Amino acid sequence: GAGVSQSPSNKVTEKGKDVELRCDPISGHTALYWYRQRLGQGLEFLIYFQGNSAPDKSGLPSDRFSAERTGESVSTLTIQRTQQEDSAVYLCASSSGGGQAGQPQHFGDGTRLSIL
Amino acid sequence: GQSLEQPSEVTAVEGAIVQINCTYQTSGFYGLSWYQQHDGGAPTFLSYNALDGLEETGRFSSFLSRSDSYGYLLLQELQMKDSASYFCAVGSARQLTFGSGTQLTVLP
Repeated sequence: GAGVSQSPSNKVTEKGKDVELRCDPISGHTALYWYRQRLGQGLEFLIYFQGNSAPDKSGLPSDRFSAERTGESVSTLTIQRTQQEDSAVYLCASSSGGGQAGQPQHFGDGTRLSIL
Repeated sequence: GQSLEQPSEVTAVEGAIVQINCTYQTSGFYGLSWYQQHDGGAPTFLSYNALDGLEETGRFSSFLSRSDSYGYLLLQELQMKDSASYFCAVGSARQLTFGSGTQLTVLP
């Protein structure tokens, strides 16, 4: 498809397990973002990738969170030793250009993560 | 840092006009964006204002006053399908900071 694709759509796991979330951006989009959205709340910025530049990791809440992106393609967000407070929807977005504010971000449907 | 304030809930009837306000505090302002999110869905881009004034896109308009650090989203001829959450977001050079969202309920 032409949109941002995320997998899995839902993930239920036990506290303490590691999880890996995947994002396929729109082809040709150089900027890729990960956000976390808790129930009824806004989007919390996690990390930003722009081409081959060093990622902006300023939003990652702890060292249990990490993300990778190969070139301008797929990105994975990994959460190690999951905690119950990690339960949320994790959204990925991509945009063309340099990721400036005026470039619309195109979002995937998210991964709904539930930690038991 | 950056922070935004918008009302948590707004209710209006079908066919009416509703305005959702957003005030912000930011260092390094690159524009104000608006996104719509239906329950369980992905946020979708609605509009962007970099300069003062009104931008119109069909039934939706967005306004920005940089001197007042204030903007709003205006929805006209409300339809039931407009029931959703609306987020304002301020941009820096590289990323967006989102508000907590306004839940709009459109009543028949």
